[in-house]
Amino acid sequence: GAVVSQHPSRVICKSGTSVKIECRSLDFQATTMFWYRQFPKQSLMLMATSNEGSKATYEQGVEKDKFLINHASLTLSTLTVTSAHPEDSSFYICSARRPFTGELFFGEGSRLTVL
Amino acid sequence: RKEVEQDPGPFNVPEGATVAFNCTYSNSASQSFFWYRQDCRKEPKLLMSVYSSGNEDGRFTAQLNRASQYISLLIRDSKLSDSATYLCVVIMGTNAGGTSYGKLTFGQGTILTVHP
Repeated sequence: GAVVSQHPSRVICKSGTSVKIECRSLDFQATTMFWYRQFPKQSLMLMATSNEGSKATYEQGVEKDKFLINHASLTLSTLTVTSAHPEDSSFYICSARRPFTGELFFGEGSRLTVL
Repeated sequence: RKEVEQDPGPFNVPEGATVAFNCTYSNSASQSFFWYRQDCRKEPKLLMSVYSSGNEDGRFTAQLNRASQYISLLIRDSKLSDSATYLCVVIMGTNAGGTSYGKLTFGQGTILTVHP
């Protein structure tokens, strides 16, 4: 079964609205989770590292005020795309690392389409 | 130079063929290595970890060459279902307790298409 669960898998929204994506670690406690974005035929791009109980660390070029990350518990991180625009349409994937082994497990991904 | 580089391919091979991918990394402090498989429009899934001594899982063999700083994935007897993008992942270090991790970097992926 899934080790990391992501919801929703698909969302369509109007330009200017905000969308929240949830990422849950089902099999282990994850102090750190990661959020990626993937455009068609391109590799995963790390957007930010979500840290439980503290602020997320954003990669260069990623707007922290646009992509709000909250990691309120050891099993849940959320990504909110605020005031979404068509160029934000993408495949967003979260991941969590299993402690000690370091294996990275991914959520199923959320395909966002902004009209 | 990119931190982790893969030949993007695509590799087009017939069923039953043997195919190998390499992934080079630039930072000698890298400590953990993985191969992931990503199907079209799906999330990446762990295929196998790569151990220093090399490891095998069925038709798949992974190897690490620290001296030359690359990892490889060998697929024997290719199946149609092996068609996917193969991503290598390189992690630089963990702390002693294993609770925090160094930087993780993905290769851009290698596309494999196995045809009848």
